Amino acid sequence: GAGVSQSPRYKVAKRGQDVALRCDPISGHVSLFWYQQALGQGPEFLTYFQNEAQLDKSGLPSDRFFAERPEGSVSTLKIQRTQQEDSAVYLCASSLGWAAGNEKLFFGSGTQLSVL
Amino acid sequence: AQSVTQPDIHITVSEGASLELRCNYSYGATPYLFWYVQSPGQGLQLLLKYFSGDTLVQGIKGFEAEFKRSQSSFNLRKPSVHWSDAAEYFCAVGAGDYKLSFGAGTTVTVRA
Repeated sequence: GAGVSQSPRYKVAKRGQDVALRCDPISGHVSLFWYQQALGQGPEFLTYFQNEAQLDKSGLPSDRFFAERPEGSVSTLKIQRTQQEDSAVYLCASSLGWAAGNEKLFFGSGTQLSVL
Repeated sequence: AQSVTQPDIHITVSEGASLELRCNYSYGATPYLFWYVQSPGQGLQLLLKYFSGDTLVQGIKGFEAEFKRSQSSFNLRKPSVHWSDAAEYFCAVGAGDYKLSFGAGTTVTVRA
């Protein structure tokens, strides 16, 4: 597609529910990132994929967070047993190459998650 | 680990006036520095980046930024602001790998 697409755009969950957030990166992009943006804050790194390999998941807040990219394209971020502190905008970004630090990141519009 | 501070949470500027957004970073070596803009309902868009070389970098939409190592700063400037520049601006620093650290952002309001 023309850009990074994320769905749903908004998600409201009751505390304790599981949610799944989808990211469609730009076709052919090798690298894929998930960031979490709390209200009034900048994005914070969650995890990084090169193709289907998850090379870094050091930013995931707890073991309730799980991300996958099984075929090296679409990625899903899953949050189990959601808590109120999980409320945030979840941003997906992709880049063409191996993300050596100078790659341009293309961001999606994000999924705004509200946990009640 | 690297970090970024954006001292100004909110700036209001008149249309046609100049704009300067401050960014200070903390990193031991030469950082990779970026400015991104986020309009409501939109994803972050890269304005400009600095890796090495000329410390004054030009970006899209008429923005420029200057890297000052002695001040650990990477301030963003625009000579004449347009109403469409109203948005949130994020400074980010990288260590040369894939991970970026973002500042908390500066919201720019443009008044007529």
